[in-house]
Order: sequence, then structure tokens, then C-alpha cells
Amino acid sequence: QVQLEESGPGLVKPSETLSLTCSVSVGYITGYYWAWIRQPPGKELESIGYIFYSGATNYNPSLESRVSISVDTSKSQFYLTLNSVTAADTAVYYCARLNALSLRSFDYWGQGIRVTVSS
Amino acid sequence: DIQMTQSPSTLSASVGDRVTISCRASQNVRGYLAWFQQKPGKAPKLLIYKPNILENGVPSRFSGSGSGTEFTLAISSLQSDDFATYYCLQYTSFPYTFGQGTKLEIK
Repeated sequence: QVQLEESGPGLVKPSETLSLTCSVSVGYITGYYWAWIRQPPGKELESIGYIFYSGATNYNPSLESRVSISVDTSKSQFYLTLNSVTAADTAVYYCARLNALSLRSFDYWGQGIRVTVSS
Repeated sequence: DIQMTQSPSTLSASVGDRVTISCRASQNVRGYLAWFQQKPGKAPKLLIYKPNILENGVPSRFSGSGSGTEFTLAISSLQSDDFATYYCLQYTSFPYTFGQGTKLEIK
């Protein structure tokens, strides 16, 4: 059973860097794409970007200048870094599996982590 | 980016009703359309993909249809567990984009 869990700080100061980790149940990270998605309070979901287990990435152009996603298959983890955050980056951040093999889109999700940008 | 527009934004219905939710894309998404259910404080759950294939474990009262730019999610006989917010997602072109959501409320 694939399980994902986000971790990281729940509060980040404006202009600083948001860093989150997604831990994937061991043995499941290879062969798939892994994504970050966020949901600002009361708003719709937004795709941030995704990474293939081998390291190839694709980012939302609206965030591309500030975002980086990386993976460490030995730890069964992937990561999100978002620079120069503002209040507009306040959201629940989800990690998810993007199942391109069976065209299922995002078929497994973490429970989400609420991140607030505030001084 | 491909814009996804759902209607209605809110839907009031009773247990046992049949309901439909529509999703329109700003351009052809070639069938790469999925539907998610989200309950308060929880992650979205994949219901249907491509755009009429039921995800494993999802009750058969849920169904998806459509092609090109017009898609529909139908729930044939509402159960109490179905009251939630529903989102469509296009995944033909990155950034993958979601609709704004349809909140299904108890009448």
C-alpha cells in the first residue's frame, strides 16, 4: 500500500524559504512521478510541479522562478523548496503520486500540511 | 494554461437523488480528465479518470462521461457519505489544472 506523509515547518516568515519533505512508503518511489499540489484557504487546488524518480522535473510556470523539487530514492523521499515566500503562499501543501503509467493522474495523496506565511 | 470551469458551484440535494456536475475545459483535453472528492480537512480522493474509468474501490453509483471540452460526473443515488466537494482535473497539459470545485450539500 502506497503511503505518503508531508513534514516541515507550519510557519514561515515572509521572504524566507519554505522547505517540505514527502516520505513515501519504502519500495514504492521507483518508477513513478511525484508531485506537489497546494490549496490556499477557500481556493482551488494548484499544481506546483512534479519529479520523476530519476530526477527529471516539470514546474508550474507561475512558480518556476521560485520553486525546486528534488528526490532522494535511497531515503524514499522527495522535497519541495519555495523561495521568497509571501502571504499568497499560505496554503495546505499536498504531496501526491502522479501515475502516468496507468493514466490515473494523482492517485495517492498525503494528508496535507498547513503552511502559514507570516511574520 | 487550460482553464477548467465547473458548474454549479453549490448543489443542494437529498439522499437518494441523482445529481450531475459539469466541467468545461478551455481547450480539448483529449480525455485526460479526472474527478476527485474532498471532505473537510482531508486530501482529495481520486474517483474517476480518463474520464469514465472508476478508480478501484469507488462505488458504482459514481460515473463519468464526456469528451473534448465537456465532461460530467454523475452520482446515481446519493448516500450520506457523498456530501463533499468535487473537483475536476485536466492532466493533458502541464500545469495540470483543477476546477474551482462543486460543493454538494444536504438539502
